[in-house]
Amino acid sequence: EIVMTQSPATLSVSPGERATLSCRASQSVSSNLAWYQQKPGQAPRLLIYGASTRATGIPARFSGSGSGTEFTLTISSLQSEDFAVYYCQQYNNWPQTFGQGTKLEIK
Amino acid sequence: QVQLQESGPGLVKPSQTLSLTCTVSGGSISSGGYYWSWIRQHPGKGLEWIGYIYYSGSTYYNPSLKSRVTISVDTSKNQFSLKLSSVTAADTAVYYCARETSMIVGYWGQGTLVTVSS
Repeated sequence: EIVMTQSPATLSVSPGERATLSCRASQSVSSNLAWYQQKPGQAPRLLIYGASTRATGIPARFSGSGSGTEFTLTISSLQSEDFAVYYCQQYNNWPQTFGQGTKLEIK
Repeated sequence: QVQLQESGPGLVKPSQTLSLTCTVSGGSISSGGYYWSWIRQHPGKGLEWIGYIYYSGSTYYNPSLKSRVTISVDTSKNQFSLKLSSVTAADTAVYYCARETSMIVGYWGQGTLVTVSS
């Protein structure tokens, strides 16, 4: 199965600043990459699919990029509600697999 | 708006079978075009996809769990279910039911914690 590796494990950023999260696949997944946000005690929420397409209702400050094996999620100006854990997921190969997550915390 | 709700025992004894049901509201499982999935999250850990079922009954399971997993659907009740046999403490996790489109998980249940302990 494809292994997804996210970095860093924890990212400390101040509100209003930009956050950049990385996700690497052990082999090419083309653009079949999604990002999810999870807050404590809640289910994950779909943010991005197709590596760069925002899901319905997701603010424009969230953007995704990359293809093949290297992907990035950028949050342009962090709001208080953005501090959470973020997961990437590849859906190019069965079974779909998730990264271990990046915790975005307030600096 | 589609909503999913997991139900089932929160405590299962080792070697027994874990059984959960997901009730779907706001949309019909039989409408087609979607896959109905189970995903789990070990405490403080990442996400692990267990498998899915289509309304027709077609299933696909994660090879790592395939020998122990059964997912079934009851379209008359708009529900689908998970059975995981021979559980151990390693199966303690929050179990989510979800709806997928092209393997992208657009809707999730709130999740239910299942603890395996004697």
